[in-house]
Amino acid sequence: EIVLTQSPGTLSLSPGERATLSCRASQSVSDSYLAWYQQKPGQAPRLLIYGASTRATGIPDRFSGSGSGTDFTLTISRLEPEDFAVYYCQQYGNSRTFGQGTKVEIK
Amino acid sequence: EVQLLESGGGLVQPGGSLRLSCAASGFTFSSYAMTWVRQAPGKGLEWVSAISSSGGSTYYADSVKGRFTISRDNSKDTLSLQMNSLRADDTAVYYCAKDIGGRVRGLLDYWGQGTLVTVSS
Repeated sequence: EIVLTQSPGTLSLSPGERATLSCRASQSVSDSYLAWYQQKPGQAPRLLIYGASTRATGIPDRFSGSGSGTDFTLTISRLEPEDFAVYYCQQYGNSRTFGQGTKVEIK
Repeated sequence: EVQLLESGGGLVQPGGSLRLSCAASGFTFSSYAMTWVRQAPGKGLEWVSAISSSGGSTYYADSVKGRFTISRDNSKDTLSLQMNSLRADDTAVYYCAKDIGGRVRGLLDYWGQGTLVTVSS
């Protein structure tokens, strides 16, 4: 099973700042089958990014994904108030596993 | 508009059973694989089970294999999860989610709001 480790656990930032979230896999993720989801309190997760770098429908371009192999990054270029949430990475190339999440909180 | 509405959650004693359902609308249900994902209180997401569009292929996490059974009724646009031999660590919100294609890939583009299962005596 591929284990995904996200860092940091919590990111404290102010609106307008840049957020950089990391997801590291215990082995290579085939074909960059890596997705990112956003979850707000009391809500279901929402798909943001798939294929490591492709934005899902309706996702603003301030969200971007990059990486390959075992190292992946989600970047939020300028944080909006609605972006403060928990973010999960997920690999879907070899079975399916989620990372433990990164919370982006208001500083 | 895609909608997924879970039901069937509740309080059950350890060792008991529960059946979750997910009513789908707004898309051609029979064309897409479906998945159950759970989230224990205050914890992260855990993939539980998935089924292909035809129902011919099913997959389970090791933690639920042999206890949970996923199924679907394409004539009723409904996904189900039969949960037996429930344990305290099965306590979670259970989400139904739609896959992006007919084959199970695990890339989930729509999610329901979840139903809470509590296993406690």
